Amino acid sequence: QVQLQESGPGLVKPSETLSLFCNVSGVSISSDYWTWIRQPPGRGLEWIGYIYHSGSTNCNPSMKSRVTLSLDKSKNQFSLKLRSVTAADTAVYYCARHPDRRWFDPWGQGALVTVSS
Amino acid sequence: QSALTQPASVSGSPGQSITISCTGTSLDIGDYNYVSWYQQHPGKAPKLIIYDVNDRPSGVSNRFSGSKSGNTASLTISGLQAEDEADYYCSSYTHIVTQVFGGGTKLTVL
Repeated sequence: QVQLQESGPGLVKPSETLSLFCNVSGVSISSDYWTWIRQPPGRGLEWIGYIYHSGSTNCNPSMKSRVTLSLDKSKNQFSLKLRSVTAADTAVYYCARHPDRRWFDPWGQGALVTVSS
Repeated sequence: QSALTQPASVSGSPGQSITISCTGTSLDIGDYNYVSWYQQHPGKAPKLIIYDVNDRPSGVSNRFSGSKSGNTASLTISGLQAEDEADYYCSSYTHIVTQVFGGGTKLTVL
């Protein structure tokens, strides 16, 4: 059974960098696409970007200049860095498997990150 | 503003059927059969219920079905049950940004 679990600080100061990790169990990340999605409180879903097992990435143009995605195959995890955060980046951040870039399943439980001084 | 357009809310009584629409463009829904639907209960992560327009993952009730016509995809839930009350999101592959979501539809079971 494939499971994903997000981890990282729940509070980040404005202008700093948000860092999250997604630990994957039940399957190797050395295959397929892996993605990040976020959901601001009370609002809808927003796709952030994906990383392929080769290390290639693609991101939402609205955040591309601030996003870095990476893989750590030795730990079977992938990560998200979002620079220069503002209050608008406050959201629940989800990681998910992204088979052939066609759908998202399964999802992690989500990690709430609040941007505040 | 979301790339895909969904009604903000729909409602139905137990046992009835409802349909949620998801309208995109010829650059996403109209050009790819990679539409997926997600169910999200309050405080929970979204759950995949339909992929590739009309396929259901193992374990998802056959009361959920999907379809597509032109630039619009639809999710139909038949035999409404109280447990179906949730938010529903559509998503599509797009060659512009690769993946886009609808704004979400809140389903109320009366």
